This record gives sequence, structure tokens and C-alpha cells, in this order.
Amino acid sequence: DAGVIQSPRHEVTEMGQEVTLRCKPISGHNSLFWYRQTMMRGLELLIYFNNNVPIDDSGMPEDRFSAKMPNASFSTLKIQPSEPRDSAVYFCASSLAGTLGFFGQGTRLTVV
Amino acid sequence: AQKVTQAQTEISVVEKEDVTLDCVYETRDTTYYLFWYKQPPSGELVFLIRRNSFDEQNEISGRYSWNFQKSTSSFNFTITASQVVDSAVYFCALSPTNTGNQFYFGTGTSLTVIP
Repeated sequence: DAGVIQSPRHEVTEMGQEVTLRCKPISGHNSLFWYRQTMMRGLELLIYFNNNVPIDDSGMPEDRFSAKMPNASFSTLKIQPSEPRDSAVYFCASSLAGTLGFFGQGTRLTVV
Repeated sequence: AQKVTQAQTEISVVEKEDVTLDCVYETRDTTYYLFWYKQPPSGELVFLIRRNSFDEQNEISGRYSWNFQKSTSSFNFTITASQVVDSAVYFCALSPTNTGNQFYFGTGTSLTVIP
């Protein structure tokens, strides 16, 4: 199994641009999570899906952030427009009903 | 409330010393999972262990061991004979099974092993 796959690994973009982060969960897992990690705030849960349905998006910072999971094998996190304070490492994780929770390698986003 | 507390922000030990990383959790759920993850300097989050709330047996994996005590709501992690490669940030996490399988992370403990 290839594990959770995130792309891109690194993204540098200018303020105001749209950014799309992608995640492919482990096949068969029914829960998917997006986390953001910064030095100041640590690991923050942004949103999580169960069976492709968003369950809790209370961690999404503001309307500039949106996440979708059109099918069981793909999810996106979009930031539009991006701002420098969005610079962070964004992790995607998947799990099956509280069992092993594996993380992707993360996307390091830099907004200049 | 669901909460994980890792009171030790930073720990430094000399190579070959043993070190214990503390984790205290809070949950109203009767069934839950506890996890430890390692985040080395390269940045990825590496799964180390999962423990079911019904299983209080301690676990040993090589130089790593975990002590789960429901009476004190703790899930401590011990590294025996530490090595430089153990230097990383270690996160403890809680996943209550009745609240949608969320993961609640502690703030992490940064471990530095000095050669």
C-alpha cells in the first residue's frame, strides 16, 4: 500500500492566488482529515470527512478555505485567495473507524 | 471535553539514557483509541502505536515501550537506550470512537538526544 499521498509536496505562491492541495487516502479507509501545522498553533484539525461527507468543518479558518471529497479516493483543500498567514504544512490523514491513522507526507505551503 | 496534554515541551538526554514522554488525556467516551506519532526533522508524521481503551496491557517494541493506565488517564512512552535518531517531536493523540473518529493531538514533546 502506498499510504496517504499528498501533492504537491511544496508550493510557493503569491498572495491572492488560488492554491489547491490534493490528497489520496489509503484505499478502504472511510475517514479523511485535513490538518494544518504551524509553529504557533501546532496541529490544527481543519475538517474531516466520513464516507465522503464533511462531518465537522469548524476548524476551517474562514471562507477562503474550502474542502471537497468527490469520491472515496480523492480530496482537495482549496485556499482562495491565499494570504501569507496561510503559510504552513498541511497534512492529510485517513483512517478506518478509529483504527490506524496514517498521515501523508504533508504539503509545505509558502505564500509570499 | 476531549483533550490531550503533553506537559513536557522539550527534553534533552544524552545518548543511551532512557527517557519517558508523558501523555495525559481527557475524554467522556468509554471507548477510544490512543496513539503516538513521531515527527522527525524531515517533517512527516510517523505512526508509532495505537492502543484500544479496553486493552491496558503495556506494550514493548524494541527500545520503545508504552504504559497505559486508565486510572490516571495516562499513556506514557519510554525510549530505552536512546539514540540520536530518536531526536524528533513526539505527539500523543486521542481518538474517541463515539465522536466521528476525530484525532485530538497534544502539543508535542521535542526530544533531543545528544551524542
